[in-house]
Parts: sequence; C-alpha cells; structure tokens
Amino acid sequence: SQQGEEDPQALSIQEGENATMNCSYKTSINNLQWYRQNSGRGLVHLILIRSNEREKHSGRLRVTLDTSKKSSSLLITASRAADTASYFCATVPPTGGYQKVTFGTGTKLQVIP
Amino acid sequence: DVKVTQSSRYLVKRTGEKVFLECVQDMDHENMFWYRQDPGLGLRLIYFSYDVKMKEKGDIPEGYSVSREKKERFSLILESASTNQTSMYLCASRSGNQPQHFGDGTRLSIL
Repeated sequence: SQQGEEDPQALSIQEGENATMNCSYKTSINNLQWYRQNSGRGLVHLILIRSNEREKHSGRLRVTLDTSKKSSSLLITASRAADTASYFCATVPPTGGYQKVTFGTGTKLQVIP
Repeated sequence: DVKVTQSSRYLVKRTGEKVFLECVQDMDHENMFWYRQDPGLGLRLIYFSYDVKMKEKGDIPEGYSVSREKKERFSLILESASTNQTSMYLCASRSGNQPQHFGDGTRLSIL
C-alpha cells in the first residue's frame, strides 16, 4: 500500500462544521505536507510540518503529527463551501540522497452550503 | 509566485501515436516531476529529474520517457500511446526539500 493513506476516503459536512482528515504512513519522515486539489486542477500546497514538530496552524487549518504512531491529521475549522476539494498528505523521507515525495490517495471533502 | 505551466489542459490522441506533454517552470527549480492521477490510485510518479539531462524512473515508468534539455522544461513522452494511458497528467517542480508546485494538469484521452 502507499506510504501515505488518508482516512476517510470521502467526507460530507455542513458549512460551519469542522472537518478532520487523517493520514497514516509507514516509514520515517523528514516532513509531512498537506495539499489541496480542486476538481480538475493541480495540487496546491497548504502546510508543511517537520518531524520534530507536533502541531502547526495556518489560518483555519490545524495540522498535528504523531511520529510514534506515524500519523497526521488535518483539521479545517468553520468549513466553507469553497473548501470543497480533495486533500492529500505527502511524506518526505529523512535527508540523505534524493528525497522522494510520496502522496496518499486523498480525502474528498464536500462542504454543503 | 512559482508558476508551473503545462502546455495543454485537454488532449485527445489515437493509439499508437507518439505524444508529447510539455511542462515549464519559472523559478529555477532543480527538481521536476511527472505524475499520473487515476481515480482511487492517487498520484503515481512516472519520472523525475534532479538536474538538466538527468532523469530517474519513478514507480510506473513503463511506456513513458522524458527529456530535460533545459532546466525550466521537462517533457513527458508517450512513445506509442495506448488506451490504458488515458489519465490526468500532473507536472511539478520543487527546490530541495521544499513543497512541490504543480501545474494545472493535462487530461489526456487515448482513443
């Protein structure tokens, strides 16, 4: 299976609610990144959390990282219809040699107005 | 802002044709990537390049080749297109360990 796997695969919530997506991975990382993809478009980077960090915030986004459980979560607070998109986690292995980024299969979020 | 530009948003080709997908980035990034994205399979790395004229196979290189003659341009070539290569193709670039910047993708249909 892939290095990064998101859970759930799909999520549907009402506008104003919080959305939580989880990512699990298998091997050691240098950092973990979250991306967003609007339908039919490329991925856009949202936030990066390094392996020595436990939590990071950016606007309505909150990312946590638990390296002992090899998992991360992305929380979007007070969701808006415009947050409707697919969200991907991506892992970067520890330094040394070329750092190949591995993407998960994504969580499809629908925010209902 | 970094801009990664893919030459076509939509492309329709016939089986057996040689297909070129072009990607240009404007931020002097040394690393460039080609992915394909299929429903339920996420992004799969086809090829990447960490310098001009350098290339490395990704996870699914079969049926593809690449060219990087200039730092800003990375081309993906389908030597003889087949219907199972119908997909969304995404190009990306990055510097070092920084996040990747993606183009808007090329939706390729092989008939």
